[in-house]
Amino acid sequence: AQSVTQPDIHITVSEGASLELRCNYSYGATPYLFWYVQSPGQGLQLLLKYFSGDTLVQGIKGFEAEFKRSQSSFNLRKPSVHWSDAAEYFCAVGAKYNQGGKLIFGQGTELSVKP
Amino acid sequence: DGGITQSPKYLFRKEGQNVTLSCEQNLNHDAMYWYRQDPGQGLRLIYYSQIVNDFQKGDIAEGYSVSREKKESFPLTVTSAQKNPTAFYLCASSIGGTLKTYEQYFGPGTRLTVT
Repeated sequence: AQSVTQPDIHITVSEGASLELRCNYSYGATPYLFWYVQSPGQGLQLLLKYFSGDTLVQGIKGFEAEFKRSQSSFNLRKPSVHWSDAAEYFCAVGAKYNQGGKLIFGQGTELSVKP
Repeated sequence: DGGITQSPKYLFRKEGQNVTLSCEQNLNHDAMYWYRQDPGQGLRLIYYSQIVNDFQKGDIAEGYSVSREKKESFPLTVTSAQKNPTAFYLCASSIGGTLKTYEQYFGPGTRLTVT
């Protein structure tokens, strides 16, 4: 079955520290991978996406993610976290073709930032 | 400015009443989606539409209905048959097309409370 797992429900980091949010997927077809961010009571904003090519992708707000096919992972990283990064982060996966563009979302990881 | 609008932001209804949530996009996207978000459960797909006058059930369609009479509009009706309708509802759209997956863009959401 297709699934996305974000192992960490809640992470707390200090401002200025580095961040890595984990995402593992189970998907038979060629996966398209996404990271979204959601502030409380708001919609989701696309941070970055991976379709093909370079496995290290850069996104907005200084985020990057690395696709590792052998580990079925697509972890999100940021070298120095800012207080404004506190939010919930969702990893999502979709099939390249023939699935109606549907995405499967992970449960989310809530990020808190300590001053 | 192109984007997705959802109205209203907060909606209160009595149990047993049907309620319709609005979703409008001016991105000229073909595909539109409705998700339900509950704490700790990520996003679950209710219905999606890849083209005008056509839509498909998602993973949790029971108790919901949709229509897609115009490209820019995809209203969701929460019927009295939905057992637990209180939730945060998110609408999304993508360039779409019937074959390939693209990133989805989200509206700001509607929080529905049924008492």
